[in-house]
Amino acid sequence: NAGVTQTPKFQVLKTGQSMTLQCAQDMNHNSMYWYRQDPGMGLRLIYYSASEGTTDKGEVPNGYNVSRLNKREFSLRLESAAPSQTSVYFCASGGLVASGGGPQYFGPGTRLTVT
Amino acid sequence: AQTVTQSQPEMSVQEAETVTLSCTYDTSENNYYLFWYKQPPSRQMILVIRQEAYKQQNATENRFSVNFQKAAKSFSLKISDSQLGDTAMYFCAFTLNAGNNRKLIWGLGTSLAVNP
Repeated sequence: NAGVTQTPKFQVLKTGQSMTLQCAQDMNHNSMYWYRQDPGMGLRLIYYSASEGTTDKGEVPNGYNVSRLNKREFSLRLESAAPSQTSVYFCASGGLVASGGGPQYFGPGTRLTVT
Repeated sequence: AQTVTQSQPEMSVQEAETVTLSCTYDTSENNYYLFWYKQPPSRQMILVIRQEAYKQQNATENRFSVNFQKAAKSFSLKISDSQLGDTAMYFCAFTLNAGNNRKLIWGLGTSLAVNP
């Protein structure tokens, strides 16, 4: 039981390049999330997927796209990277429990630098 | 809109002592969950403790406990017998119990240093 896995752990891009961050969870959660974390700004939600087949924008979706490939996998794509997208990216998943609510569980993060 | 406020950007404590981290939140809803997450230097985000708003009893997890004051919208974290491994950023987070989505509203974090 690996929990939430993310690849890659580190990435350096040049401005204008594209890349996809991969995320997978093996906890059978319905909901999955992508966050970015910047110094002094806490965690900000980029996109989320409440269930397989649905995706919605979070607080800071501009410059990103997502795909919920199946229940396990949720990818984040940067089509044309910009220096403002230099950040640490976290994937998380969460699901319902018997009481109706539950926490989110996080992957190890991806440190992305755009030069 | 819901908000979460952590008023202490930085704190420090001596090893083996007790420290309390503050968190307040704002919501007009009645059914929600509160969490404390820990982020050590490794960057991994780790769930420390959770509290369901409908439960009056404060949650505890080993050396970690909360003081949940629903009327005051306060959710503080107490760490007893602090250990060097407790050095981390601590984030308070809130989510409504609504539907299948569990969007978290985050505070900006408190950086805790445990000194030997």
